[in-house]
Amino acid sequence: DAGVIQSPRHEVTEMGQEVTLRCKPISGHDYLFWYRQTMMRGLELLIYFNNNVPIDDSGMPEDRFSAKMPNASFSTLKIQPSEPRDSAVYFCASSFLRTGTNTGELFFGEGSRLTVL
Amino acid sequence: AQSVTQPDIHITVSEGASLELRCNYSYGATPYLFWYVQSPGQGLQLLLKYFSGDTLVQGIKGFEAEFKRSQSSFNLRKPSVHWSDAAEYFCAVSGNTPLVFGKGTRLSVIA
Repeated sequence: DAGVIQSPRHEVTEMGQEVTLRCKPISGHDYLFWYRQTMMRGLELLIYFNNNVPIDDSGMPEDRFSAKMPNASFSTLKIQPSEPRDSAVYFCASSFLRTGTNTGELFFGEGSRLTVL
Repeated sequence: AQSVTQPDIHITVSEGASLELRCNYSYGATPYLFWYVQSPGQGLQLLLKYFSGDTLVQGIKGFEAEFKRSQSSFNLRKPSVHWSDAAEYFCAVSGNTPLVFGKGTRLSVIA
């Protein structure tokens, strides 16, 4: 089991540049989540997908942020243009719906640490 | 909306001592509760979860947690802490929406 795979692990860019973060969920999982972690705000849910369809993007901070899931094995989170306040660790997580529950536990990737100068 | 409070930002314990990390949640119905651990530079790993049934749940690495509905709490415990337990611990709650996480408690272990 390869787990959730994220790339890049580290990204340093300059303000105004486009940033694309990538995620490969665990095979067979039908939910995919993007979280952002900062010291000030902790873990925030940005957006989540079910069967490749965005369900709730109310956590996306601004129009500069966008996420796509073109197929069951790949998702991207894009920031354009990036700003210094976007510096954070971005986590992708996946899960599958368990019978009798509303949600399953999340399986996290190792995160993408973004620094915007 | 559901929410989680972890009152302790940072806790330091001696190796071999017992540990209790506090978690209080807010949710109108029966919640699904989780504890995750995050080592530096790593993602979050599930320690244990409560969905229903026995209110005392056992997890990995010798951790356990007890769901107390009357106190809206789900505290994490370990009888004897090891140096390798030093990490950030997150409590999370889910109802009919995705997991909402607390701000975390950083655990330091001293010799």
